[in-house]
Amino acid sequence: SQQGEEDPQALSIQEGENATMNCSYKTSINNLQWYRQNSGRGLVHLILIRSNEREKHSGRLRVTLDTSKKSSSLLITASRAADTASYFCATPLGGSNYKLTFGKGTLLTVNP
Amino acid sequence: GAGVSQSPSNKVTEKGKDVELRCDPISGHTALYWYRQRLGQGLEFLIYFQGNSAPDKSGLPSDRFSAERTGESVSTLTIQRTQQEDSAVYLCASSQPGGGGTDTQYFGPGTRLTVL
Repeated sequence: SQQGEEDPQALSIQEGENATMNCSYKTSINNLQWYRQNSGRGLVHLILIRSNEREKHSGRLRVTLDTSKKSSSLLITASRAADTASYFCATPLGGSNYKLTFGKGTLLTVNP
Repeated sequence: GAGVSQSPSNKVTEKGKDVELRCDPISGHTALYWYRQRLGQGLEFLIYFQGNSAPDKSGLPSDRFSAERTGESVSTLTIQRTQQEDSAVYLCASSQPGGGGTDTQYFGPGTRLTVL
């Protein structure tokens, strides 16, 4: 069953602006991952944040995790047209270390 | 080395026919996963292989679906008597378990299956 749910479903911004996507989940987790999927391509792992971490950075990406609210956010700063993609959060399914469940994703469009 | 590869990239078949999808994981990755992604949806877990352990088949939607893996290499996902609802992108991923928690999964480009 689906665990995570991204918000908004779609987001359109101008190049150079920041983009924020949110993910809410239902049950306790020990980590949460964000993936990117370009049109027609497979998924690319972006970042993993563990339940004992509140914030993590990777290049222009900043991820936060609030376990009390069961939510995470992905911030992309200084966006580029190449950031246009669908972004998914993924959480472990049923306490598993390997089975992931993905939300439906946020479609981000960065206009040049 | 190279990433996860999948073949074919596209497959169109008629309802009732069997199809076989192939996945080549990253060399040295002992874990292999299959997922299904329907149009506009997130990924659904199908099956997981780890080394010589019995696979976790808990995500397979029906007995028409089966998968095999030879050692720690190639895997094939077989769908028998395909139905239109099987139309989706089938994604394969592999990882190298490092212990201590969820491992990063590396995904292939997927096989887009269309059942007419």
